[in-house]
Amino acid sequence: DAGITQSPRHKVTETGTPVTLRCHQTENHRYMYWYRQDPGHGLRLIHYSYGVKDTDKGEVSDGYSVSRSKTEDFLLTLESATSSQTSVYFCATRGGPSDEQYFGPGTRLTVT
Amino acid sequence: QQPVQSPQAVILREGEDAVINCSSSKALYSVHWYRQKHGEAPVFLMILLKGGEQKGHEKISASFNEKKQQSSLYLTASQLSYSGTYFCGSTNDYKLSFGAGTTVTVRA
Repeated sequence: DAGITQSPRHKVTETGTPVTLRCHQTENHRYMYWYRQDPGHGLRLIHYSYGVKDTDKGEVSDGYSVSRSKTEDFLLTLESATSSQTSVYFCATRGGPSDEQYFGPGTRLTVT
Repeated sequence: QQPVQSPQAVILREGEDAVINCSSSKALYSVHWYRQKHGEAPVFLMILLKGGEQKGHEKISASFNEKKQQSSLYLTASQLSYSGTYFCGSTNDYKLSFGAGTTVTVRA
C-alpha cells in the first residue's frame, strides 16, 4: 500500500453547497490524481497533479477545482455541488518500481 | 480520451479462460491493468511498456501491440478469486485514463 488516505469517507451534502475532499499520501510520490467512478463509466479522470502547485484538467473537470500546496496533500473542491456529482471519488498516486498507480479507499459523496 | 474495453461483462466457470481487450484511438505509450473487487479500490496488476511485451501475474497475462494500439488481458484457468472488474489504463505524459471496465464473474 502507498499509504493513501481520503477524508471524509462518506459525505451527504445539499445542492449548491461547496465541498472539499482531501487526499493525503505518505510515499512522497510526485503524481497525484482524482477520479470519479460511476456505473457504466468506469474511472474518469477529473484533475491530476505532476508536482506541488502543478495541476491540469482531466476528462471531466467541469465543476471541480484542485489544489496542491504540499507533496502529500491533494484537495478536490466542488464549488457548488450538483446532483450529477453524486459519485464515488478515488484519489491515486503514481510511483513505485513499476510506475504503477495506488488508489485510496474512496469517498462516497451524495448530493441531495 | 478513455480507451475502449470489450467485452463489458463475462461469466466464467472455474477453470475456463477469458480474454479482455483494450484499444485506443491514440498512440499507447504504456498500458496498465487493474482489478477492482466490489466495494474496494482498484489494485494494480501489471504494466506493459513496450510493443509486443507480455507480462504475467499469477495465471493472468497480458500482451501489448503498440502498432495496433491494443492490449489484451488473458485470464487462464480462472479461479473464484479472479472475479471483479478489470480496467485498462493508457498513459499520455502524466495522465492515466481508464476504460469503462470489464466485469468478470467466475462461478464454481
